[in-house]
Amino acid sequence: AQSVTQLDSQVPVFEEAPVELRCNYSSSVSVYLFWYVQYPNQGLQLLLKYLSGSTLVKGINGFEAEFNKSQTSFHLRKPSVHISDTAEYFCAVRRRALTFGSGTRLQVQP
Amino acid sequence: KAGVTQTPRYLIKTRGQQVTLSCSPISGHRSVSWYQQTPGQGLQFLFEYFSETQRNKGNFPGRFSGRQFSNSRSEMNVSTLELGDSALYLCASSSEAGLEGMNTEAFFGQGTRLTVV
Repeated sequence: AQSVTQLDSQVPVFEEAPVELRCNYSSSVSVYLFWYVQYPNQGLQLLLKYLSGSTLVKGINGFEAEFNKSQTSFHLRKPSVHISDTAEYFCAVRRRALTFGSGTRLQVQP
Repeated sequence: KAGVTQTPRYLIKTRGQQVTLSCSPISGHRSVSWYQQTPGQGLQFLFEYFSETQRNKGNFPGRFSGRQFSNSRSEMNVSTLELGDSALYLCASSSEAGLEGMNTEAFFGQGTRLTVV
């Protein structure tokens, strides 16, 4: 079985500052890792995914994530956030179905 | 191409009733999965259908059921509604690649918000 832990439930940050949202996973087999974003009253939108290959993955809206197998982490980063990045972010691991973390609410303040 | 469409967007039902939610996947996608999202439990997997067959199932009671039609559209049904069934129900579709689609992206609809009163 796999599980995902998002270490921060809320991350407040000022506009144009960098941000890192942390994600750790556990799985006994190879996994595929994803980050999704959810805006209020919306579904989930894929930000980026790690399937194999380069451990640094670039996604949409300037986000990137680094897969670290030894630390079983897949942290999401953005060098400079905007007000419009305010949303909930979910890390997920896929074996059969997607197993999601509990989410991190990113609050970008002016 | 059109995204995943879920209908209705909002629904209010009374405890004890039953409800059916609908999901139309992206054209060409044969895998449809359903997830329940609540503030307390987060996002939880309900079931997945592929080519009209349930391929995977989460840990939900038998009151939750689903089906998939030959055009890949899917419905999920909840019988004997309880207050705790109030949630955002999300449908996701995927194309099929190797590894039974495990390494493919899931595209989500906007969800159906079900309120049980």
